Amino acid sequence: DIQMTQSPSTLSVSVGDRVTITCRASQTISDWLAWYQQKPGKVPKVLIYRTSSIMSGVPSRFSGSGAGTEFTLTISSLQPDDFATYYCQQHIHYPYTFGQGTKLEIK
Amino acid sequence: QVQLDQSGPRLVKPSGTLSLTCGISGGSIRSSHWWTWVRQSPGGDLEWIGEVHFSGGTNYNPSLQSRVNISVDTSRHQFFLKMSSMTAADTAFYFCAGNGPSALGVLTYWGQGSLVTVSS
Repeated sequence: DIQMTQSPSTLSVSVGDRVTITCRASQTISDWLAWYQQKPGKVPKVLIYRTSSIMSGVPSRFSGSGAGTEFTLTISSLQPDDFATYYCQQHIHYPYTFGQGTKLEIK
Repeated sequence: QVQLDQSGPRLVKPSGTLSLTCGISGGSIRSSHWWTWVRQSPGGDLEWIGEVHFSGGTNYNPSLQSRVNISVDTSRHQFFLKMSSMTAADTAFYFCAGNGPSALGVLTYWGQGSLVTVSS
C-alpha cells in the first residue's frame, strides 16, 4: 500500500493567515492526489483532485500543487469557515489511501 | 444532485456480520462508475474499504478483502456492504460514497455516515 504522510498533524493559525499543508506519498503517484475538508460531525468534502483541479463551488483561496511524491494544499487567506481537518488521498493505486489528517486550530 | 442515504444496524456483536445499505437518489446509479465504502476510526483515520462498479465488478482493500463483500442492485439504485468476523477494532464510522465526474477514485458524493459499534 502507498503510505500518505501529512504534516503537520495540527496547525494553530489565525484568520487571514496563509496556510500550507504538506502531503508525502511513499511512492510516486504522478498527480493523482485529492484533498478533502472535514468539519466535526460532518462528512468529508472533496476540495481538489488531480493535485490542482478545484471542485466546483470551492473558494479560490484554496489551491494545490506538487507532483510525484510531494504535494501541498495552500489556503491563501484563512477564513473562519476553514477551521477543519484536511486529508489528502492518493487516487491512482489500489487500495486508495488517505493521510492521517491535519487539523487547523484557532491560535 | 446525487444523494446517498445509508441504512443498517448500528450495533454488531463480536464475530458477527455488518450489513449496510446505501441508497442512491437524485441521479442514476450509472452517474458514478464506482460506488465506494470508506470507514473512519474514532481517532479520525480514513480507510478505503472497497468499491463496486454499477456492472458488478469490485475492488477491495487487501487488508479487509477476506471479510468484505460489496454488491450492487441497479434496479433498486442501491449498493451494499457486508463485513464478517467483526471485532472491536472494526468499530468506526462507515460511509458510502461515489465518484463524481471529476476523476476516478475521487469521492464526490457521500452518505451521512453510520457509527457502527462492535460490542456484545
